[in-house]
Amino acid sequence: GNSVTQMEGPVTLSEEAFLTINCTYTATGYPSLFWYVQYPGEGLQLLLKATKADDKGSNKGFEATYRKETTSFHLEKGSVQVSDSAVYFCALSAAFGNEKLTFGTGTRLTIIP
Amino acid sequence: GAGVSQSPSNKVTEKGKDVELRCDPISGHTALYWYRQSLGQGLEFLIYFQGNSAPDKSGLPSDRFSAERTGGSVSTLTIQRTQQEDSAVYLCASSSYTSGQETQYFGPGTRLLVL
Repeated sequence: GNSVTQMEGPVTLSEEAFLTINCTYTATGYPSLFWYVQYPGEGLQLLLKATKADDKGSNKGFEATYRKETTSFHLEKGSVQVSDSAVYFCALSAAFGNEKLTFGTGTRLTIIP
Repeated sequence: GAGVSQSPSNKVTEKGKDVELRCDPISGHTALYWYRQSLGQGLEFLIYFQGNSAPDKSGLPSDRFSAERTGGSVSTLTIQRTQQEDSAVYLCASSSYTSGQETQYFGPGTRLLVL
């Protein structure tokens, strides 16, 4: 079955540091890949997505590239801010048909000023 | 426009009681999903509705869990004879499913506590 393995947290960084949160997946076919974010006290919201190999998703300064050869979708940001403190979830959905999401365990990110 | 709404936002119940959780998807969205977020299990899929097709119930953890979607819109998740391990945040999401790979929009969740 499908699965997502995500970097264990928590992760604590100083403001303006470079961020990488690793995500690898196991799936049949060509899944779509997502990063969702959950800010404190808020609901889950889509951060970025990529639907085919070599696509790069980007939003709010975050980027992730769909790497089929390494089955990875690592999240990166060049300079994090305190407002980026949140829990980040990597997820995938099947290529077609039922698009239920399979999530990683989540990574709690804390940015200190 | 309005997003996905869920009610109640919080529910405290006693072990053995039944509970109903409601989800109002974004208007026009044909696909509706229920997920559960708990400390021990993370975020896990429960059930999926798409149009008039038979729902995918493959994620329901036991036969105490059921869900229905009336008129292709509002959905109700019912948990019978609740157990303490049912305590979690229950999330609903919807998507438009026009061309596949559509973004799922999540509601704020219902936090369920079983005493």
